[in-house]
Amino acid sequence: GQNIDQPTEMTATEGAIVQINCTYQTSGFNGLFWYQQHAGEAPTFLSYNVLDGLEEKGRFSSFLSRSKGYSYLLLKELQMKDSASYLCAVPDSNYQLIWGAGTKLIIKP
Amino acid sequence: GAVVSQHPSWVICKSGTSVKIECRSLDFQATTMFWYRQFPKQSLMLMATSNEGSKATYEQGVEKDKFLINHASLTLSTLTVTSAHPEDSSFYICSASDGLTSYNEQFFGPGTRLTVL
Repeated sequence: GQNIDQPTEMTATEGAIVQINCTYQTSGFNGLFWYQQHAGEAPTFLSYNVLDGLEEKGRFSSFLSRSKGYSYLLLKELQMKDSASYLCAVPDSNYQLIWGAGTKLIIKP
Repeated sequence: GAVVSQHPSWVICKSGTSVKIECRSLDFQATTMFWYRQFPKQSLMLMATSNEGSKATYEQGVEKDKFLINHASLTLSTLTVTSAHPEDSSFYICSASDGLTSYNEQFFGPGTRLTVL
């Protein structure tokens, strides 16, 4: 079967750095997505990793280790608007997304 | 580019009535559309996958006679919740894929919040 684990909730301070981890078990691998979802809104795409390593995109970076079944999303220079849920998702063999439960990130001033 | 719209954004209906939600890809052709449901504080749950011109594929536990999906064109899919009940109250989100990226990226609509009284 397929399983995705990520922490339920994290708290960080404005201006700081936070790392949100995601571990997965899948039969086969077709990449890993990170999405941001604000309360009451649909998810928005942040990143897609299919090769090992770190991909940087502005304040957000995403890392993947296929051998460890592990990814993280790194958010730098946190802003209050970054308060949201962050969802890790992997496509199955039919390219349907299997979603993690999401990590609620709370940013404090 | 890659904009997906949903209509309505929110709807309140009486128990026993039917509600239709539209999902449109505004600037691309969506070969595949996905319908999700999300309950408060939970992750997205895939309900069904539809390809233009063919019947939708429903996930286990989703009643196809209750949640009617029509994908009549490459830019429009509809989800009809028939005989809605309070337990159907949820956030319904559609997404669409044009099949052009190697990883079949899904573009999400803004969601429709359904409240059944």
